[in-house]
Amino acid sequence: AQSVAQPEDQVNVAEGNPLTVKCTYSVSGNPYLFWYVQYPNRGLQVLLKYITGDNLVKGSYGFEAEFNKSQTSFHLKKPSALVSDSALYFCAVRWVNNNAGNMLTFGGGTRLMVKP
Amino acid sequence: GAVVSQHPSWVICKSGTSVKIECRSLDFQATTMFWYRQFPKQSLMLMATSNEGSKATYEQGVEKDKFLINHASLTLSTLTVTSAHPEDSSFYICSALRQPAGRADTQYFGPGTRLTVL
Repeated sequence: AQSVAQPEDQVNVAEGNPLTVKCTYSVSGNPYLFWYVQYPNRGLQVLLKYITGDNLVKGSYGFEAEFNKSQTSFHLKKPSALVSDSALYFCAVRWVNNNAGNMLTFGGGTRLMVKP
Repeated sequence: GAVVSQHPSWVICKSGTSVKIECRSLDFQATTMFWYRQFPKQSLMLMATSNEGSKATYEQGVEKDKFLINHASLTLSTLTVTSAHPEDSSFYICSALRQPAGRADTQYFGPGTRLTVL
């Protein structure tokens, strides 16, 4: 069965410091992996996605994520956090349901708090 | 980038009434749209997959007679919460699947609709 785990409910980091938001996954076949960000009362926005190719994926707002097949991880990183990065972050894996087609399974979400 | 809109952005209704939420893909056609529900501080829960011209596929535990989904065109899906009760109060988010020829599919999410049932 497909699953995504985000082990941290909340990550606190000081502005200017590097940040990491962790994600591990379990999926049959080759994974398509995504990171989404949700600001308060807003819908999700895709930050970045891994389909194939380089394991290091660069996305919006200076974020990047590294696909690690052996560890089944797709951690989100940023070298220098901004207060405006404070939001809810979701990791997701795309898979194919025989009846419904392409599906997304989300992790539980991690709240990132960046303090000045 | 692709845009998905939802209307209304928020709604307050009395218990027992029905509420319709619209999801539109503004600059692309979407054969498949999804409806999610988000509980406070929790992840999204997929409610159903909406396919244009056919019946929606509901996830286990989601009452299809309570959450009516209609995907009448390639740019519009609607979710109707029938006989709403306070426990239906939540943040509802739709997404539309863009499937460009020869390229990877991408889901684009609407801004969400906050439903409050009094």
